[in-house]
Amino acid sequence: DTAVSQTPKYLVTQMGNDKSIKCEQNLGHDTMYWYKQDSKKFLKIMFSYNNKELIINETVPNRFSPKSPDKAHLNLHINSLELGDSAVYFCASSPVAGGPYEQYFGPGTRLTVT
Amino acid sequence: AQSVAQPEDQVNVAEGNPLTVKCTYSVSGNPYLFWYVQYPNRGLQFLLKYITGDNLVKGSYGFEAEFNKSQTSFHLKKPSALVSDSALYFCAVRETGYQKVTFGTGTKLQVIP
Repeated sequence: DTAVSQTPKYLVTQMGNDKSIKCEQNLGHDTMYWYKQDSKKFLKIMFSYNNKELIINETVPNRFSPKSPDKAHLNLHINSLELGDSAVYFCASSPVAGGPYEQYFGPGTRLTVT
Repeated sequence: AQSVAQPEDQVNVAEGNPLTVKCTYSVSGNPYLFWYVQYPNRGLQFLLKYITGDNLVKGSYGFEAEFNKSQTSFHLKKPSALVSDSALYFCAVRETGYQKVTFGTGTKLQVIP
């Protein structure tokens, strides 16, 4: 079974559209994250939820809105997509927020905005 | 504030030779340090971490890392490189008491047959 899964794997859409990416983890972890990896492979934290509560909210445009219906799921909705949103988005999870725990990453969603 | 630096964008090493990928960090308190590997078109995979105690940490696939507090470094090492080790390597730090992890900019390791 895949520990952290994301759908879709690829997403191609036009500017101005709204799209969602879904993430699920079956590890029983309390904490989940969204990261953005740009074309230079830099990895930037966007959001983190701990047991459905938002705990990290980096400087991200308001067009990005995360939602955690339960601690096993974390979705990312993006409104009014722009060319600069093209990137690979990774979901990750860890047992708890903070502490000496590594993160488990999903396979990524490659978003291309045309 | 915490930060981490990977001074080399790319490291080239011949197969069979030892490899080192450098990482330095900056924290106010004590760090938790991590190394991750990313193969093309894949998510990051955890390799090893330093929490406390022994400065030499052993991890997956024969990798190890040495924590050096005085030099604030956590370099990744492997005695004998394999072509299959070619990938992008990320160092990361979380200061104790913090929730956020800060990742370095990544180092591309190229192992030449």
